[in-house]
Amino acid sequence: DTVLTQSPALAVSPGERVTISCRASESVSTGMHWYQQKPGQQPKLLIYGASNLESGVPARFSGSGSGTDFTLTIDPVEADDTATYFCQQSWNDPFTFGSGTKLEIK
Amino acid sequence: QVQLKETGPGLVQPTQTLSITCTVSGFSLTSYYMQWVRQTPGKGLEWMGFIRSGGSTEYNSEFKSRLSISRDTSKNQVFLKMNSLKTEDTGVYYCAREGAYGAFNWGQGVMVTVSS
Repeated sequence: DTVLTQSPALAVSPGERVTISCRASESVSTGMHWYQQKPGQQPKLLIYGASNLESGVPARFSGSGSGTDFTLTIDPVEADDTATYFCQQSWNDPFTFGSGTKLEIK
Repeated sequence: QVQLKETGPGLVQPTQTLSITCTVSGFSLTSYYMQWVRQTPGKGLEWMGFIRSGGSTEYNSEFKSRLSISRDTSKNQVFLKMNSLKTEDTGVYYCAREGAYGAFNWGQGVMVTVSS
């Protein structure tokens, strides 16, 4: 299975730029997606196909990467962005998820 | 407006069968793949399987021996059935609609506790 590795946690101040990384154990081309999950809620799609912004998601969110290395950028960060961010790949069978990066806004 | 809502038993005894229904609105099941994903304390988010727009299914080999996904298009419902439940199956179960590039739009999820 394709293992997706994410850093467990980050802490930033409002107004800063934050990058969240996801590294795949094998190539997933651009079949990488990013989700935001707040406590008690379902994951919400932010970025699909590595770099495409989901409709209704603020342009502060952006994604980049291909192959094995991917990044979700939030610029500028707002207090409401406190959440866990997951990456997911849909290129290889089975689909797999990262363990999530918990973002704290100081 | 696209909506997905899971309903399930809440509490299931070990060795028993879990049945969850995902009721959708705002789109047709014959136009989208529908996914099942669970989130457990032990393993995080796990993709379980999907049913294609044409009705065929694919399963994660991790669950293949005990999982069944089906649908009733006339009722706009997708079903998950998983047998031989263990305490480790405790978690939140989500249905999701697959969109562009294989990304998911998720239902609200249903909490399932496996306990005697």
